[in-house]
Amino acid sequence: SQTIHQWPATLVQPVGSPLSLECTVEGTSNPNLYWYRQAAGRGLQLLFYSVGIGQISSEVPQNLSASRPQDRQFILSSKKLLLSDSGFYLCAWRRTSRYNEQFFGPGTRLTVL
Amino acid sequence: RKEVEQDPGPFNVPEGATVAFNCTYSNSASQSFFWYRQDCRKEPKLLMSVYSSGNEDGRFTAQLNRASQYISLLIRDSKLSDSATYLCVVILNTGGFKTIFGAGTRLFVKA
Repeated sequence: SQTIHQWPATLVQPVGSPLSLECTVEGTSNPNLYWYRQAAGRGLQLLFYSVGIGQISSEVPQNLSASRPQDRQFILSSKKLLLSDSGFYLCAWRRTSRYNEQFFGPGTRLTVL
Repeated sequence: RKEVEQDPGPFNVPEGATVAFNCTYSNSASQSFFWYRQDCRKEPKLLMSVYSSGNEDGRFTAQLNRASQYISLLIRDSKLSDSATYLCVVILNTGGFKTIFGAGTRLFVKA
């Protein structure tokens, strides 16, 4: 069965510090991977998606970036965090099926102070 | 107009009640439909896919009306543990797959 991992689970960072969040998927190959952000009490905002190694599409221009160095690894980064970067960051993979459902990792809760 | 719209609620219902959520979508190229459940401070989890003929899973029934472009979720015999936010999700197939999440409907089931 497929599983998706994210770490860290929680993170408190000062404004201006760098960020690196990691997501790994097990039990599937060449998955489509996604990064979402959910602000407190709000819906999901798609940040990046990747269809393969080194292939990143950005949905929203901002100070975040993403990389996919390996087939089942997806990394979200920032060189300098802003207060507005606080939120719940979710990684997801899409199952290639008739319905193309997405499955989420446990998320990283980021607080920028 | 949002691509996927839901009543944010909250819906406050007593245990044992039947509650229904509706969700409308604007793009007729929508291909697949789902309901996800999200507990407080947790990730969304797939509750059920919504099939064209409608489908039932225990106390949960999902239906799709393509003509009117809405999907629904019916929860019968509500339990305290059903308290959560329910997200309506639509997948567009416009050459590539695009997943669109509704903002969610909050449900509180009270004893």
